[in-house]
Amino acid sequence: QVQLVQSGAEVKKPGASVKVSCKASGYIFSGYYMHWVRQAPGQGLEWMGCINPNTGGTYYSQNFQGRVTMTRDTPITTAFMEVANLKSDDTAVYYCARGRDIWSALSTWGQGTLVTVSS
Amino acid sequence: QSALTQPRSVSGSPGQSVTISCTGTSSDVGGRNYVSWYQHHPGEGPKLIIYDVSQRPSGVPDRFSGSKSGNTASLTISGLQAEDEADYYCYSYAGRYTFVFGTGTRVTVL
Repeated sequence: QVQLVQSGAEVKKPGASVKVSCKASGYIFSGYYMHWVRQAPGQGLEWMGCINPNTGGTYYSQNFQGRVTMTRDTPITTAFMEVANLKSDDTAVYYCARGRDIWSALSTWGQGTLVTVSS
Repeated sequence: QSALTQPRSVSGSPGQSVTISCTGTSSDVGGRNYVSWYQHHPGEGPKLIIYDVSQRPSGVPDRFSGSKSGNTASLTISGLQAEDEADYYCYSYAGRYTFVFGTGTRVTVL
């Protein structure tokens, strides 16, 4: 069955970087966009950006432009999302989610990765 | 890009119907039929329940339905059940290859 399995929880200090992985299985990895969404404590869902695993092309929310990098490693069917220069308000659960094409709804989601930023 | 506007909470008794609105602009909700809805239980990944305004993925009960008029999309849950208690988010294309979620609505089953 289709699955997205994310890496485990992280604790980072302000100014550090974090890289979250999302291992895909059960479908053709290059055929679906991978989006990243986060949810800060007590807040709603926030779209961060997405990557076309086929071409590596990326689209980012203006809120994260320049601080977030999305990549993929096609042979191991894994997508990555790295946030640089972490701040305390980057503390959130980060989700990966796949969509059939860039316009498509997000049909399958990972379990989420908690990133805590604390000094 | 500002979040789409949803009511903070709605509630209903088992068997009743509730409707959640999602208001945006002509640049997002009103611009194209790329509106979807997600059910989110705490501690889990969100679940797609409506796509392309009114389409239901296989396995989603037909008590969930979606519609759109102008810049406002709506999700209706008919025959409310206890397991429907969750947070619900709308999601829309917002132009220039960006996307936006709604502010989220907590559904409480009384």
